[in-house]
Amino acid sequence: GAVVSQHPSWVICKSGTSVKIECRSLDFQATTMFWYRQFPKQSLMLMATSNEGSKATYEQGVEKDKFLINHASLTLSTLTVTSAHPEDSSFYICSATQGAGAASGNTIYFGEGSWLTVV
Amino acid sequence: EDKVVQSPLSLVVHEGDTVTLNCSYEVTNFRSLLWYKQEKKAPTFLFMLTSSGIEKKSGRLSSILDKKELFSILNITATQTGDSAVYLCAVEAGAQKLVFGQGTRLTINP
Repeated sequence: GAVVSQHPSWVICKSGTSVKIECRSLDFQATTMFWYRQFPKQSLMLMATSNEGSKATYEQGVEKDKFLINHASLTLSTLTVTSAHPEDSSFYICSATQGAGAASGNTIYFGEGSWLTVV
Repeated sequence: EDKVVQSPLSLVVHEGDTVTLNCSYEVTNFRSLLWYKQEKKAPTFLFMLTSSGIEKKSGRLSSILDKKELFSILNITATQTGDSAVYLCAVEAGAQKLVFGQGTRLTINP
């Protein structure tokens, strides 16, 4: 079964509203989680690194005031798309790992992803 | 800027053919290279490579890394229609942070 759960899987919202996506690690504590977005037929682009108990680190070109990330506990990170517009429609996916990364022998787990459609 | 480039971007072959997918990278803090298969939702893990020249194999799939030339290949032999997917190469550049290539969309025709 999934070890990283993402919710909701699908969401449709009206332009101008905000949408929250949750990412939970089910069987382990994740001090760091990552948020990616993927446009149709394109690859995953890292948006931000979510750090438990501190501010997220955003990649260049990602608006931190638009994509609010909160990592309130060791098992939950949330991504809120504020004032959503149709161009925000995309596949959003999170990842988490137990330890110091793949090279250290830790599996990087992905959530199932969330399809956001802004109408 | 960290960069991962995959080629070809798209490939169509017949069932039974062998395919080779390429991934080259330029990153400042290389830790590992990973291959994923993505069908409809989240990527599923295939291989993780950290050392040059050591082939990783799983059934009809195999992969190898060349850290001197900064590339990796993913081979699939005796392809089947179920192999149709997007194959993603990612480099772990810094702890847990993955930089993805554009992906190769592989289509296997019966």
